[in-house]
Amino acid sequence: KAGVTQTPRYLIKTRGQQVTLSCSPISGHRSVSWYQQTPGQGLQFLFEYFSETQRNKGNFPGRFSGRQFSNSRSEMNVSTLELGDSALYLCASSLGSDYNEQFFGPGTRLTVL
Amino acid sequence: TQLLEQSPQFLSIQEGENLTVYCNSSSVFSSLQWYRQEPGEGPVLLVTVVTGGEVKKLKRLTFQFGDARKDSSLHITAAQPGDTGLYLCAGALISGTYKYIFGTGTRLKVLA
Repeated sequence: KAGVTQTPRYLIKTRGQQVTLSCSPISGHRSVSWYQQTPGQGLQFLFEYFSETQRNKGNFPGRFSGRQFSNSRSEMNVSTLELGDSALYLCASSLGSDYNEQFFGPGTRLTVL
Repeated sequence: TQLLEQSPQFLSIQEGENLTVYCNSSSVFSSLQWYRQEPGEGPVLLVTVVTGGEVKKLKRLTFQFGDARKDSSLHITAAQPGDTGLYLCAGALISGTYKYIFGTGTRLKVLA
């Protein structure tokens, strides 16, 4: 069974631009969560989507948004990029039931110049 | 603010030594997961523990979930260079504004 895929793997943007990252979960998984990982802050939860609805949200500004499609694929958008947005963005998929095992994709390395 | 503290933060040991990593919180979790992450890659799930007091073994790795489901430990026996990586614990909250909180991480280096 194919794992979680994320595209692109690497991205370089400049301040003020916007970016869209994509995540395809494991087949049959309905929950997709997004995380930001930086050396200083570790892994921080951004939001979770389940059946096309945002079910949980972390403490990030409104510049960070996401959506999920009917096939469970998810996109994350960051507008008005700041230098501090440089990070590894990770997507994790799970069945979405109470017994949750999350499986991570390889991540998208975003560099903001 | 819900926190999941891991200790130690850094660990450098010789091949063949044993080690234990701890994951502690004041929150109660419905389940807890351990991951290992290589540089530039996503975390890879090692194990999920669900029941208080549960012990799971994965070859040389032993995972334990605290009786109160607030803490966990990972013990590695006879560490090998291939065990090198960032170890993360993640707790699934029973209630709260978001489901998972991740530990601060333990960076392990095993020297040959």
